[in-house]
Parts: sequence; structure tokens; C-alpha cells
Amino acid sequence: AQKITQTQPGMFVQEKEAVTLDCTYDTSDPSYGLFWYKQPSSGEMIFLIYQGSYDQQNATEGRYSLNFQKARKSANLVISASQLGDSAMYFCAMREGRRYGNKLVFGAGTILRVKS
Amino acid sequence: EPEVTQTPSHQVTQMGQEVILRCVPISNHLYFYWYRQILGQKVEFLVSFYNNEISEKSEIFDDQFSVERPDGSNFTLKIRSTKLEDSAMYFCASSKTTGGGRETQYFGPGTRLLVL
Repeated sequence: AQKITQTQPGMFVQEKEAVTLDCTYDTSDPSYGLFWYKQPSSGEMIFLIYQGSYDQQNATEGRYSLNFQKARKSANLVISASQLGDSAMYFCAMREGRRYGNKLVFGAGTILRVKS
Repeated sequence: EPEVTQTPSHQVTQMGQEVILRCVPISNHLYFYWYRQILGQKVEFLVSFYNNEISEKSEIFDDQFSVERPDGSNFTLKIRSTKLEDSAMYFCASSKTTGGGRETQYFGPGTRLLVL
């Protein structure tokens, strides 16, 4: 079974509007972390936001917020006030367990295109 | 802001040749990782490294692969006899321990390897 599922291969959003990128996950471990990374066309992986399984509140980092619904096992990324520079591939990833150094498991990614 | 660096940015090699990909993790980080991304596909975990030994490795990380921390700053991935299917972007990442499992892996810009 897929650990991380991103069902939207591609998304379009109008500049200055908000967009939600979906991510569902599958784990039986009560302790896990969820991450979103941005990959521009240049190829680097840029960390955006983190949500821990025990966090009571949804994570926020500037224009990025995470809509964490634990019972549904979803961790959707919300980008507010989209900018042209937000056009990129976005990956959701999960780390299971509390042991430091555990690997990240990535989803297939969603390509976001911001239209002017 | 400290960052992970990788060299070279691009490498072209002939099938059967050995390649060494180099990484300089963030200086106070203790955990190091290699991931790869075949063109158009998801990012896949290869290996994690802590305290001068491999912590975990994936099925991809077979006997053709090895990792080393030859000095206090560099972290290398060696592919002994490259195959066509080793063509991919290789990412190095590093993380440090923090409280509560809020460990974030920071990625380098990647080395794009092409095996001919």
C-alpha cells in the first residue's frame, strides 16, 4: 500500500488566490511527522512546513499552512495568496516513528502552475 | 543560513565506471542521508548514516553503493560500476536531533547523474 498519496498530478491557480494540495498518508505508528517540500524547475528540494502527529494545532509558516486531519489521515498544504514563484512540484513526505534519523517516504508529487 | 552543498552539480559517466558524489552537510548536523529521484518520478530513500555507520538502507542500496564520511565535513556516495538505470538526481540531506522528534531533513541542490 502507498504510504503517501498525492492524488493531484497537476494543479492550476490564479495569482493571488489560495490553493490546496492534497496529501493522504497511511501508517499504524502513532508517532510520525509529515513534511512538505517544494521542488522548482531547477531541481533543489526546499523544506516548507512540518506537522507532528501529536501537534494540537495545524502548522503554519508564512503563506503556507497545513490542514491536518488526523482521523482522515490527511495533511493538505494550503498556499495563500499564490505568487508566480510558487510554480513548482510539491512533495508530501512522512517520517514514521520517534527514532531520530528515520527515512522520509515521499508521495508522487503535485505540479502547481500559478497563472498571471 | 547554513545549507547542504553537493558537488558536482552534473556528472556524465560511461556505464561500468565508478562515480563519487560528494556532499557537505550542515555543520552541526549528525544524521546524513542520500535519496535519489529518477526523472519524473518520486524521491526515493537510499541510505541513512549516523555515528560513522549506516543506520538504514533501502533495497536500492545494493553492493554497488557505498557511503563514507572521509573527514569531518564531507559525506560521499560511491557507485562502483554504474548502470544505465542509475541515471537520476541524487540528493544529500542532513538533520540534527531536536526535542520531540521535530527533526527536519534539509536537502542539498542535488547531483544530476547521467550514465551513458
